Amino acid sequence: DADVTQTPRNRITKTGKRIMLECSQTKGHDRMYWYRQDPGLGLQLIYYSFDVKDINKGEISDGYSVSRQAQAKFSLSLESAIPNQTALYFCATSNSPTGELFFGEGSRLTVL
Amino acid sequence: RKEVEQDPGPFNVPEGATVAFNCTYSNSASQSFFWYRQDCRKEPKLLMSVYSSGNEDGRFTAQLNRASQYISLLIRDSKLSDSATYLCVVNIRGSARQLTFGSGTQLTVLP
Repeated sequence: DADVTQTPRNRITKTGKRIMLECSQTKGHDRMYWYRQDPGLGLQLIYYSFDVKDINKGEISDGYSVSRQAQAKFSLSLESAIPNQTALYFCATSNSPTGELFFGEGSRLTVL
Repeated sequence: RKEVEQDPGPFNVPEGATVAFNCTYSNSASQSFFWYRQDCRKEPKLLMSVYSSGNEDGRFTAQLNRASQYISLLIRDSKLSDSATYLCVVNIRGSARQLTFGSGTQLTVLP
């Protein structure tokens, strides 16, 4: 089983719908991240969390919100999805500021 | 100017060739450097960290040039399985954002 699990892996939705992407990890890491990847662009940080009570905006947080329900769970929500949020979303964990990032397998979201 | 820039490629090389990629970074406060590998439609995975003195891991050699603000990745004796996108990743000292990713260099190793 994967150490970092994302659900759903693929989702097609319509403009205006609320979408939640979930991430759970068994690595015991405190730090969790949500990234977005678009073709030809690097990974862009949406939100990150260093522990259950800590939530921080990344580069592109507008239109997104997150919830850190437990050390092992970090979910990303799109309150009202729009087509330019069509992308591949990755959850990641790490155990130090400069340590290796461990990624989930990604959630491919298409907003029509 | 992007904080981390890479030549997107694609680099198409024959099996057995040696290929090198460079990555430039703009922030002199950058303190940690990494190469990640991403296979098509898969998640990125750490390939290797880049140390000041340069480091080698089998067929892969990473180097850092702080004066010119770039890092490099050299792959010797390319294998078909090396085909992937290689992401340059930089940690900026004091940045709460942690890691900044380049957009990647695509490598295809041809039989």
